[in-house]
Amino acid sequence: EVQLVESGGGLVQPGGSLRLSCAGSGFTFSSYEMNWVRQAPGKGLEWISYISGSASTIYYADSVKGRFTISRDNAKNSLYLQMNSLRAEDTAVYYCAPKGITWGQGILVTVSS
Amino acid sequence: DVVMTQSPLSLPVALGQPAAISCRSSQSLVYSDGITYLNWFQQRPGQSPRRLIYKVSNRDSGVPDRFNGSGSGTEFTLKISRVEAEDVGVYYCMQGTHWPPVTFGGGTKVEIK
Repeated sequence: EVQLVESGGGLVQPGGSLRLSCAGSGFTFSSYEMNWVRQAPGKGLEWISYISGSASTIYYADSVKGRFTISRDNAKNSLYLQMNSLRAEDTAVYYCAPKGITWGQGILVTVSS
Repeated sequence: DVVMTQSPLSLPVALGQPAAISCRSSQSLVYSDGITYLNWFQQRPGQSPRRLIYKVSNRDSGVPDRFNGSGSGTEFTLKISRVEAEDVGVYYCMQGTHWPPVTFGGGTKVEIK
């Protein structure tokens, strides 16, 4: 069974940092392109970052470019999102979203003083 | 960026009745390979999004055949032939043709009348 479990969320002050992790199981992790998609409270879906299976190709949405860094460790079947210089508008549930299969359950990040 | 516009915002439907959700893109979603990368996602209350339809009309594994996607160019439709209670939730269209960024529609909330 395909499973993706996000961790690392929580409450952080504006300007602070967090590192999200996503652990995958039940599929060949290295073969899958991965995305991070977020959803602000009561709002729609926003794509924020993409990484290819080999990590050779990476893209970011303009809203996070220069502040967030996506990475992966295929040996550990894990995807990461390093989030720096966090702002109130980054408050959202963050989903680990592989291309074509089940998403993670999401992890809440709250940026507030 | 490609803007995805969904209508209606809210769709009350009686059980067993059909439902249709419209999605329009600000430019043609036909890629240079001739494929149209338009997907539909379902987000049930309290759950993470789940892909239902990919490349306009292909159902994902396990998706009931009452869900059908159609359209071309800039106009797309998701139809539910007979709405069931488990279909309640928010539906999003998403384009993967002109990316980055991947863009989502604003969502259509399906509820039981």
